[in-house]
Amino acid sequence: EDQVTQSPEALRLQEGESSSLNCSYTVSGLRGLFWYRQDPGKGPEFLFTLYSAGEEKEKERLKATLTKKESFLHITAPKPEDSATYLCAVRGLSGNTGKLIFGQGTTLQVKP
Amino acid sequence: EAGVAQSPRYKIIEKRQSVAFWCNPISGHATLYWYQQILGQGPKLLIQFQNNGVVDDSQLPKDRFSAERLKGVDSTLKIQPAKLEDSAVYLCASSPQGQALNFGPGTRLLVL
Repeated sequence: EDQVTQSPEALRLQEGESSSLNCSYTVSGLRGLFWYRQDPGKGPEFLFTLYSAGEEKEKERLKATLTKKESFLHITAPKPEDSATYLCAVRGLSGNTGKLIFGQGTTLQVKP
Repeated sequence: EAGVAQSPRYKIIEKRQSVAFWCNPISGHATLYWYQQILGQGPKLLIQFQNNGVVDDSQLPKDRFSAERLKGVDSTLKIQPAKLEDSAVYLCASSPQGQALNFGPGTRLLVL
C-alpha cells in the first residue's frame, strides 16, 4: 500500500532562518511526487512535481529534492508570507488510476 | 484560465440530514476527484472520475455517500444521512491525464 509520512508536523521559524521539511514515501512504482501549499480556508495550491531520484526544482525561496525514499522541501531565508501548510503526495503505479496519496502535512509558521 | 469552482463554501447541518456539494472543473480536464480533508490531516480520496466513468471509489462510504458526474463535466457529491464524523472540508480537483491536480477552494461541512 502506498504511504506518505511528513515531518515535522509543525515548524516555527524566525524570518530568515532556513530549514527543511521531510516527506518519506513508500510506493509501488513512483509516477510523480508532488508538493502543494495550503493556506487556511483554501484548497491546496500546486508547487512542484518530481519524477526521479536526483531531480531538483526551485521556485523563489523553495527548493524540492527527491531520493528513492524521501523528498525534502528546503526553505531558504523564509518570510512571514511563507507561513502555510505544505502537503506532499505521491502517484504510484498501484491501481493505475493516477490518484494522489497525501501525507498529513507540515504546518510552517514564520515569525517576523 | 478559470479555476475549479465549488459551492456552497460552507454548510452546517444536523446529523441524519442530507447535503449535496457541487463542483465545476477546469474546462477540458477529463479527470475529476473528490477528496475529504479532516482537520489536521491530509486530503483522502473519496472518488475519481475519468470523463463520465468512475475509476476509483474504493474509499467512498457507499452506504451514505454518492457521487455523479454529469456529461463528463460538473459533479455532485451527496451525503445521506450525515454523521458527526463527516465534518470536514470536501475538496474537488481536476487534471489533464497524468498531470498535477488543480484544487478548488473546498466546501466546509459541519455536522451538529
